[in-house]
Amino acid sequence: DGGITQSPKYLFRKEGQNVTLSCEQNLNHDAMYWYRQDPGQGLRLIYYSQIVNDFQKGDIAEGYSVSREKKESFPLTVTSAQKNPTAFYLCASGGQVSRETQYFGPGTRLLVL
Amino acid sequence: AQSVSQHNHHVILSEAASLELGCNYSYGGTVNLFWYVQYPGQHLQLLLKYFSGDPLVKGIKGFEAEFIKSKFSFNLRKPSVQWSDTAEYFCAARTGAGSYQLTFGKGTKLSVIP
Repeated sequence: DGGITQSPKYLFRKEGQNVTLSCEQNLNHDAMYWYRQDPGQGLRLIYYSQIVNDFQKGDIAEGYSVSREKKESFPLTVTSAQKNPTAFYLCASGGQVSRETQYFGPGTRLLVL
Repeated sequence: AQSVSQHNHHVILSEAASLELGCNYSYGGTVNLFWYVQYPGQHLQLLLKYFSGDPLVKGIKGFEAEFIKSKFSFNLRKPSVQWSDTAEYFCAARTGAGSYQLTFGKGTKLSVIP
């Protein structure tokens, strides 16, 4: 988990604004993930990417977008279409082999002004 | 769709008490199971995992979990908790057929009273 960095730690969004959360890993993992954590809801998958230039929607992708131009980086954009963006966002990475464990970053807390 | 259920939202124990947190999953095929822990202000960390073999899995910090296929369960146990075990615990499952997605339970908050 020490090989995954997320920035910023806190992010404030104004109404109608798009914001981008950064996730970088130096674990040489092929797969990367974005989760949203809300109190009492556990973690819910937003998007995941198995390899560079490829990504798939998770369970709650509406209002979010991602890109995967580099193996190390998987930024998440919270668009103005996401009506309830206040949450804790966790990035994770793992290998492509099915037995690989997912390792998590420290998270970004997004708040709406 | 696969789901993971954690039955206890908040558990309060005194130090030295025994702990068992319940986890049930809904998928009927091959499944990989995980317990993660989130200490206050810290990263989500892996406690233990089960892929195959011995259904009793030992993890870090004295935790263990038992996979019972007939009950679709993967309960977490610790014989004697410490104040430092205060945290939120998440059970997660992944179907074994090449899937990358983890499905998480809603979490159980454990408070240990000194």
